[in-house]
Amino acid sequence: DAKTTQPNSMESNEEEPVHLPCNHSTISGTDYIHWYRQLPSQGPEYVIHGLTSNVNNRMASLAIAEDRKSSTLILHRATLRDAAVYYCILRAAPGGKLIFGQGTELSVKP
Amino acid sequence: GAGVSQSPSNKVTEKGKDVELRCDPISGHTALYWYRQSLGQGLEFLIYFQGNSAPDKSGLPSDRFSAERTGGSVSTLTIQRTQQEDSAVYLCASSFDKVYEQYFGPGTRLTVT
Repeated sequence: DAKTTQPNSMESNEEEPVHLPCNHSTISGTDYIHWYRQLPSQGPEYVIHGLTSNVNNRMASLAIAEDRKSSTLILHRATLRDAAVYYCILRAAPGGKLIFGQGTELSVKP
Repeated sequence: GAGVSQSPSNKVTEKGKDVELRCDPISGHTALYWYRQSLGQGLEFLIYFQGNSAPDKSGLPSDRFSAERTGGSVSTLTIQRTQQEDSAVYLCASSFDKVYEQYFGPGTRLTVT
């Protein structure tokens, strides 16, 4: 499975945008980029995913580089509830299991 | 609607005992996954079921671990002869199909003493 690289931790201020980077230089053409997050003492929850084009949903936006070797998860206005570990995961087209890395621990300051 | 549920929420067992962990997926979801999360290893995949296909057991750490899914719904993860290194939070997830997003349960915290 292709690997991803994320910063171990990031800090943000409440109500400011947050850009969480992910590098995946060995991504293959059929790999989808998925983001999940895990709030304290909870199971992970799906955030967003994409293949080539930028994606938006009610939770976040996903910006994918033209060469697909990196991507950025964008939280438009961070809230205290967004403090979590964010995982960037590559999943091959047939789907199935998720291979989690270490993720980025996001802290949000009031 | 109801999400993924797991039972028990906490389980303490003695080394060498067998344990069974249960997962109730979201109704209608054909794919079901087991993961575990421990301090040393992070979140790791264990096994997944997709419909009537043979399960992907590639993540099971040893032959002490097994899982079954009866009637395409409820799943049970069994750990035989538990060891202290089995202590972890065991997470179950389900999805409409293997290509869709996964919904995770709250997990079962297993402590082996």
